[in-house]
Amino acid sequence: QQQVRQSPQSLTVWEGETAILNCSYEDSTFDYFPWYWQFPRESPALLIAIRPVSNKKEDGRFTIFFNKREKKLSLHITDSQPGDSATYFCAASGASSSFSKLVFGQGTSLSVVP
Amino acid sequence: EAAVTQSPRSKVAVTGGKVTLSCHQTNNHDYMYWYRQDTGHGLRLIHYSYVADSTEKGDIPDGYKASRPSQENFSLILELASLSQTAVYFCASSRLGTSQNTLYFGAGTRLSVL
Repeated sequence: QQQVRQSPQSLTVWEGETAILNCSYEDSTFDYFPWYWQFPRESPALLIAIRPVSNKKEDGRFTIFFNKREKKLSLHITDSQPGDSATYFCAASGASSSFSKLVFGQGTSLSVVP
Repeated sequence: EAAVTQSPRSKVAVTGGKVTLSCHQTNNHDYMYWYRQDTGHGLRLIHYSYVADSTEKGDIPDGYKASRPSQENFSLILELASLSQTAVYFCASSRLGTSQNTLYFGAGTRLSVL
């Protein structure tokens, strides 16, 4: 059972465009949603994260939009750069007062063409 | 900066052989994890540990054992390696459980079972 789903599987945008990566989840107890990015032949690293207390989290060109009712979130990358080309993983965990496993989606491979 | 070191970086094993993957962290983190990465499946949790001499099963523990002899070291053991265990394995650590805490990943071990 895939608790966290991402779409599209791969995405190509031109330099300067906005890339939109989508994520949905099933477990309504999830209360923490980090996005990790992974460059080719490197390890994943935290990019940005959001808690459902807000429906938007912004960090420079990266913005998470969160819709709790629909159990969906999206990562928007404005003014995309070739250096943004990577695989992006949406993840989720819950129960902030105790250990909760982080569940990862399958990833979206983003290519930014100059 | 967090430091998680994995060894070996790559390994070729024979079917039925024993494989041990090692992980060492200098972050003074309590939690350590082993993830497996396969194309199309994202990152899946195999085992984790929150204290020395104790390990817990993750989502896909079958065919794997783990050992946490000290806070700094966490090993993944494949007693009888199989073809289906060919994958990239990542070790990670975090200060607390994954609820709202950042995972710091090692560089990964690329395992090929022939």
